[in-house]
Amino acid sequence: ETGVTQSPTHLIKTRGQQVTLRCSSQSGHNTVSWYQQALGQGPQFIFQYYREEENGRGNFPPRFSGLQFPNYSSELNVNALELDDSALYLCASSLDSLGNTEAFFGQGTRLTVV
Amino acid sequence: AQSVTQLGSHVSVSEGALVLLRCNYSSSVPPYLFWYVQYPNQGLQLLLKYTTGATLVKGINGFEAEFKKSETSFHLTKPSAHMSDAAEYFCAVSDNAGNMLTFGGGTRLMVKP
Repeated sequence: ETGVTQSPTHLIKTRGQQVTLRCSSQSGHNTVSWYQQALGQGPQFIFQYYREEENGRGNFPPRFSGLQFPNYSSELNVNALELDDSALYLCASSLDSLGNTEAFFGQGTRLTVV
Repeated sequence: AQSVTQLGSHVSVSEGALVLLRCNYSSSVPPYLFWYVQYPNQGLQLLLKYTTGATLVKGINGFEAEFKKSETSFHLTKPSAHMSDAAEYFCAVSDNAGNMLTFGGGTRLMVKP
């Protein structure tokens, strides 16, 4: 039990639709990161939010966007879904830099785009 | 940009045998190195991390890893495999700020009775 919860656990969407995935971080954790894990691959960094501001972004198009709220929850929004967006989406929360603390991962949301 | 290579997408060992999972990173020395484990239908759990100091790092569940700068490696070992060690293992490096993680492709460890 990491204290990081994601919802929903599974989701099926149609190509072209929009989706919102949610993450509740550990209390007090001001940093949240989102990762995409395609089947059989390692997670890929999407972006990070620190105190409600985007603090870094990986190689993902603008149709991937996010929000972080004062209550330590966050959202990942994906517009115009494509079949290749099918993956496990993981969020991770931390209190500080990963050199000084640990990132705690949620169990993930498995998104299937059909 | 950093890259991480994990040699062997699948590794099979007998229970009680040595576990060796290989990880190499790109040549620029990353600030921090990590090993994570992922059990089916679960998120990632930190096994161990290297930041500074002693190059042999001990983690949870009897795992350890050694940072070898000359070989750009951070291999994960465990002297004696247990059935409960069967899982997917990921090596990762951080960016200079210690925020973004770059993961390897993962190694699935299978433990035979």
